[in-house]
Amino acid sequence: DAGVTQSPTHLIKTRGQQVTLRCSPKSGHDTVSWYQQALGQGPQFIFQYYEEEERQRGNFPDRFSGHQFPNYSSELNVNALLLGDSALYLCASSYPGGTEAFFGQGTRLTVV
Amino acid sequence: TQLLEQSPQFLSIQEGENLTVYCNSSSVFSSLQWYRQEPGEGPVLLVTVVTGGEVKKLKRLTFQFGDARKDSSLHITAAQPGDTGLYLCAGEETSGSRLTFGEGTQLTVNP
Repeated sequence: DAGVTQSPTHLIKTRGQQVTLRCSPKSGHDTVSWYQQALGQGPQFIFQYYEEEERQRGNFPDRFSGHQFPNYSSELNVNALLLGDSALYLCASSYPGGTEAFFGQGTRLTVV
Repeated sequence: TQLLEQSPQFLSIQEGENLTVYCNSSSVFSSLQWYRQEPGEGPVLLVTVVTGGEVKKLKRLTFQFGDARKDSSLHITAAQPGDTGLYLCAGEETSGSRLTFGEGTQLTVNP
């Protein structure tokens, strides 16, 4: 079991650019959530996808969007990048209605 | 918006000492999870507590969920350098919903 995998592991972008991050959930999981973790802080919920639809959304601007594919994998897109978007982006997967979330290793995004 | 306050924020102790990390909220959670995170890695799930008053033990780690399901604690006995890391508590409003994380406790265990 490969667990939750994310790509890329590291990324450097320039202000104003757009970025796409990818996530493959743990085998058997169909719910994917994305979190942003700034340095020295706990993760903040961005949104959750289930059955290819956004089911819940945190307090993030519309520049943050996502998608879930039929195979349950997911993408996080961020447009018009700001310096403040620099963070570790974490993907977590879970069973439908499941209590436990399993995280990937994250994508470290640096905006310069 | 549900908030979780974690304390202490930083903790530096000697090998062999005991410690307790607290996670408090004014809100009720359906479950609470504890994670440990190493630099550059994602959080790794340690335990999930669901029932008020529940106590779970994982080797030298003891987790407790408050009777009212608003708070939790993590107690480590005889800490070892390998316990060093960021400990995060996270509450779930309803089963399968978003996780609300605390700010984390950075634990350093010195040999």
